[in-house]
Amino acid sequence: ETGVTQSPTHLIKTRGQQVTLRCSSQSGHNTVSWYQQALGQGPQFIFQYYREEENGRGNFPPRFSGLQFPNYSSELNVNALELDDSALYLCASSLEGQGTEKLFFGSGTQLSVL
Amino acid sequence: AQSVAQPEDQVNVAEGNPLTVKCTYSVSGNPYLFWYVQYPNRGLQFLLKYITGDNLVKGSYGFEAEFNKSQTSFHLKKPSALVSDSALYFCAVRDVNYGQNFVFGPGTRLSVLP
Repeated sequence: ETGVTQSPTHLIKTRGQQVTLRCSSQSGHNTVSWYQQALGQGPQFIFQYYREEENGRGNFPPRFSGLQFPNYSSELNVNALELDDSALYLCASSLEGQGTEKLFFGSGTQLSVL
Repeated sequence: AQSVAQPEDQVNVAEGNPLTVKCTYSVSGNPYLFWYVQYPNRGLQFLLKYITGDNLVKGSYGFEAEFNKSQTSFHLKKPSALVSDSALYFCAVRDVNYGQNFVFGPGTRLSVLP
């Protein structure tokens, strides 16, 4: 186990609703990244937070937003949910330095949008 | 832009035989290369990484990978496959000169048959 925990494990929402996903980083890690993994695909980078600031963003619209807290835990918020947002959302923490660090992933939140 | 290709959706191998899961990449600068494994209903687990140095990298669970700069490949290998190696394998690249994110391949499903 990586020490990265995500909640909830499963979530069902309807189109147009808003959702908040939560992540607790591995102890000592200062960076958290969020990835979307659609069925049958590899994870796609959403954004990264380093010391509570957004530190990189993938090709996702502004309705995907995030927060990182002083204890390095994090939230992913998605507004105006669309059917295509149905996916496994993965949180990963790391201790950033030289860019060579590996990611430690949580087990993910499976979001279904109906 | 960074990209990763895994040309095989599925690899089947008999238990005890050697296995290879292929990965090719494209980056503008020096690549940092990673392999992750995903078991059902779980997040991604780190197997190994190449940053610099010896082209043959050894990782977890007896896996190894060979970095080939001229062929821009980073194939995952294991001398003797186990049924428990059956899972989804992802190759990933990171080019820190072009962002903080990892770019993952689409994944290869490995089935080891008893």
